[in-house]
Amino acid sequence: DAKTTQPNSMESNEEEPVHLPCNHSTISGTDYIHWYRQLPSQGPEYVIHGLTSNVNNRMASLAIAEDRKSSTLILHRATLRDAAVYYCILRDQETSYDKVIFGPGTSLSVIP
Amino acid sequence: NAGVTQTPKFQVLKTGQSMTLQCAQDMNHNSMYWYRQDPGMGLRLIYYSASEGTTDKGEVPNGYNVSRLNKREFSLRLESAAPSQTSVYFCASSEVEYQPQHFGDGTRLSIL
Repeated sequence: DAKTTQPNSMESNEEEPVHLPCNHSTISGTDYIHWYRQLPSQGPEYVIHGLTSNVNNRMASLAIAEDRKSSTLILHRATLRDAAVYYCILRDQETSYDKVIFGPGTSLSVIP
Repeated sequence: NAGVTQTPKFQVLKTGQSMTLQCAQDMNHNSMYWYRQDPGMGLRLIYYSASEGTTDKGEVPNGYNVSRLNKREFSLRLESAAPSQTSVYFCASSEVEYQPQHFGDGTRLSIL
């Protein structure tokens, strides 16, 4: 199964950019890279996804390595509301998605 | 727009009791999912439904059954609850299988 690895935790100062890394060395050509975040006591929330090209939306940017074996979620200016667990997962558009795996994610702390 | 609605939000059961967790979405999504999240861990897929009329096992299906009642509703049943099933249960939906998922707020279930 294609899986991802992320650091267990990261810290950032408020109003500074945050780069959250994700390794997915066994990614297949049809795997999309999805990012979700989970605030305390809430369900996960979709952040962004992409296949090969870098992606931007109102919440974040996604930078995908040229070989697609890693990606980085970029929060341009961290706020206290960005303190959450961030999950990087792979979604294959061609096979059954019982292989979707949410690992422990990266717990992001934002320091005022 | 409610999105994904889960009921109940909290429940305490005794070992051996049965109950059904309800989930409904109002986004006209085809695919629906049930996950469980144990303390400090990521999400594990229990069952999913790619489209109305179909259901399949995920990573941890033992002890659970599901019903895709119609396009909007996807229920999860515990026939004989066990303490190991104490967890937070999340329902999610997506337009199609590999598209981003929208999550409910979860059901916190304790089994004594």
